[in-house]
Amino acid sequence: GAVVSQHPSRVICKSGTSVKIECRSLDFQATTMFWYRQFPKQSLMLMATSNEGSKATYEQGVEKDKFLINHASLTLSTLTVTSAHPEDSSFYICSASSQGFNYGYTFGSGTRLTVV
Amino acid sequence: EDKVVQSPLSLVVHEGDTVTLNCSYEVTNFRSLLWYKQEKKAPTFLFMLTSSGIEKKSGRLSSILDKKELFSILNITATQTGDSAVYLCAVLGGATNKLIFGTGTLLAVQP
Repeated sequence: GAVVSQHPSRVICKSGTSVKIECRSLDFQATTMFWYRQFPKQSLMLMATSNEGSKATYEQGVEKDKFLINHASLTLSTLTVTSAHPEDSSFYICSASSQGFNYGYTFGSGTRLTVV
Repeated sequence: EDKVVQSPLSLVVHEGDTVTLNCSYEVTNFRSLLWYKQEKKAPTFLFMLTSSGIEKKSGRLSSILDKKELFSILNITATQTGDSAVYLCAVLGGATNKLIFGTGTLLAVQP
């Protein structure tokens, strides 16, 4: 159990376009989902926390208008990178947890975004 | 400021060696400490530690938490090349109850 699916695994887009990344919990209801960003040879940096049905909470320094997060259901959260620029190129990872922490924090497989 | 520090940053060993990875933390509202293994993609869960002094074991991997001294260690015995990865330590806590990650330890196991 406790599987989190993330899609796409890899995406290349042109500067100025928007990219949507999906994160789904397949066999449990994820009351909370987290979005991380990881640069090469660096650790995971939390970008935002989203709770189902409410607005996401963004970490300091993360532009909420640039990184739009929607958590419309207990099994799906999306991250949209708007007006992408080359500096947004990174590895984006979601993780999900349920209320009882029975599954700990399960990560999706990640999305490698390259903006050209 | 909440922080998690891992050491060493990188380590090269030979197959069969035993390694110990360290994780120290200063995090308010500590709830638990987690270890992950990250190869080329997203981290995979290894252990979650909540109580001091209780060793968790899975095959050749084991981990223990010391809440008094605020650290944890991850041991890997009889290392194999497949153990080569970045090992991440994360603490669940802080003012907003989130996972705070350390910088990771890059382990390379040579044949």
